[in-house]
Amino acid sequence: DIQMTQSPSSLSASVGDRVTITCRASQNINMILNWYQQKPGKAPKLLIYAASSLQSGVPSRFSGSGSGTDFTLTISSLQPEDSATYYCQQTYGTPYTFGQGTKLEIK
Amino acid sequence: QVHLMQSGAEVKKPGASVRVSCKAAGYTFTGFYIHWVRQAPGQGLEWMGWINPKSGGTNFAQKFQARFTMTRDTSISTAYMELNRLRSDDTAVYYCSRELLSHLPYGMDVWGQGTTVTVSS
Repeated sequence: DIQMTQSPSSLSASVGDRVTITCRASQNINMILNWYQQKPGKAPKLLIYAASSLQSGVPSRFSGSGSGTDFTLTISSLQPEDSATYYCQQTYGTPYTFGQGTKLEIK
Repeated sequence: QVHLMQSGAEVKKPGASVRVSCKAAGYTFTGFYIHWVRQAPGQGLEWMGWINPKSGGTNFAQKFQARFTMTRDTSISTAYMELNRLRSDDTAVYYCSRELLSHLPYGMDVWGQGTTVTVSS
């Protein structure tokens, strides 16, 4: 199975900050990497697919980059509603594994 | 409007089976794979498998293969997951979700509301 490792596990940042979350795959997954946002008690929401494609309706402050084994999710200017847990997921090969999640808190 | 509606919460005893339904609306059910993902309390997301509603073909995570079944009824645009020989560590919220792009591995954009399955004696 492809292992996905996110860092950090948690972080705290202020409104307006630039925030970066990283995700590393245990093998080359090209650009077949997705990012989700999940708020408590809610289903995950797709933010980014294919490493850098912004899902329809997602604010442009969210962006993704990377290829191969190393990927990043960036929030350019943090907003209060961005408080959530963020997951990366590879869909390069089954099982489609998720990272362990990054909990983002607003200071 | 595209959405997935799941069946209600279940409480089961260890060793029992549970079936969760996922009814699709607002799109062609047979055009997009349905995935099942679960989340244990306070834990992360775990992908379980997908079903191709058109053919009925499935792909499972190895750890679930012996106890996990996915089926569909195209006449009512509904997918089902069944988990057998339940254990306490199967206690989780189970989500169905739809792939973003038909038959392409680019994540899941539509999710059901989740079904809580509690396994307790």
